[in-house]
Amino acid sequence: AQTVTQSQPEMSVQEAETVTLSCTYDTSESDYYLFWYKQPPSRQMILVIRQEAYKQQNATENRFSVNFQKAAKSFSLKISDSQLGDAAMYFCAYRITSSGNTPLVFGKGTRLSVIA
Amino acid sequence: DGGITQSPKYLFRKEGQNVTLSCEQNLNHDAMYWYRQDPGQGLRLIYYSQIVNDFQKGDIAEGYSVSREKKESFPLTVTSAQKNPTAFYLCASSRTRNTYNEQFFGPGTRLTVL
Repeated sequence: AQTVTQSQPEMSVQEAETVTLSCTYDTSESDYYLFWYKQPPSRQMILVIRQEAYKQQNATENRFSVNFQKAAKSFSLKISDSQLGDAAMYFCAYRITSSGNTPLVFGKGTRLSVIA
Repeated sequence: DGGITQSPKYLFRKEGQNVTLSCEQNLNHDAMYWYRQDPGQGLRLIYYSQIVNDFQKGDIAEGYSVSREKKESFPLTVTSAQKNPTAFYLCASSRTRNTYNEQFFGPGTRLTVL
């Protein structure tokens, strides 16, 4: 079974500091995509960043970057220069690329607090 | 603007009643999904549909039913057989042949059983 594990239920970071959220996944597939979604108090799911498994280069989107370690099946999210608006639930998710549109498999989430 | 709408935002149901949650998208996406979110559980897949008139069960399909008669619409019915239906329900959609087949989410429906 495909699983995604987020080992940190809660994290906190000082404003302007850097924080890393952990994610590991288990799959026997060789081709897949990985995602980080943010869910603020409004509960709207917002895509933060995505990574293709065949790409060795780590994805970056402004203050957000990932550390993708395929052999270790690890996909951590680093948030630099944290802002108050970064406070939210963060979900790591995975989907295989075969068979067309496949559903996402989510981790249980990490609640990030940003301290002013 | 294109997007996904879910209605209603809040829904209350008495025990033993069926209720239908609406999900509509105008993004011309082929696939649609229903997820359930409970505290501490993340999002779990209920049903998904890759094309019109076809759908597959997810991990927690028991007590739910869906239909996909139109590309734009994917309603979810929570039946009286669902033992613990109080939760937050999220609908999503994605396009085939998009590089990431990225899923876009609606704003969700909060269902409470009284």
